[in-house]
Amino acid sequence: ETGVTQSPTHLIKTRGQQVTLRCSSQSGHNTVSWYQQALGQGPQFIFQYYREEENGRGNFPPRFSGLQFPNYSSELNVNALELDDSALYLCASSLYGGPRHGYTFGSGTRLTVV
Amino acid sequence: GQQLNQSPQSMFIQEGEDVSMNCTSSSIFNTWLWYKQDPGEGPVLLIALYKAGELTSNGRLTAQFGITRKDSFLNISASIPSDVGIYFCAGQDPFGNEKLTFGTGTRLTIIP
Repeated sequence: ETGVTQSPTHLIKTRGQQVTLRCSSQSGHNTVSWYQQALGQGPQFIFQYYREEENGRGNFPPRFSGLQFPNYSSELNVNALELDDSALYLCASSLYGGPRHGYTFGSGTRLTVV
Repeated sequence: GQQLNQSPQSMFIQEGEDVSMNCTSSSIFNTWLWYKQDPGEGPVLLIALYKAGELTSNGRLTAQFGITRKDSFLNISASIPSDVGIYFCAGQDPFGNEKLTFGTGTRLTIIP
């Protein structure tokens, strides 16, 4: 059983640029959630994708967008990057309607905006 | 965004000591989860709690779901070096996307 894989592991971008982060869900999972973890903070919910549609969103502006593909993998896109977007971005997969504790997190993508 | 209040923020203990940390919320949750995060890794689930008053153990770890459903506690007995890391509580929404609201974290350091 493969876990959640995220790519790239590290990324440096310039303010104003756009970035795409990728996530492959764990085998058997059909839902992907994205979290932003700033340095020294707990993860914060960005949004969730189920059946290729957004299924709930946290307090993040529209320049944060996502996609889910038929194989349940997902992308997180951030436009017009700001310095405060520097963070660890975590992807978590789960089975919709499955056990409530059934999130599996990836190791994250460390994004630095300069 | 909302974060749960977790205390203490950091702990420095000696190997073999017991550890206690807690988490409080202004909102009610139906599920409380405790995670551990090592450097460069994502959070890993330690214990899940589903019912007010529930006390659950996982080896040397014991967690409780507060009666008010607005708090939770984690205890680690006889700490060992591999317990070093950051511990997060998380409350889970009962409906819809079941998103997690995380605490601010407790960093555990073991002094040689």
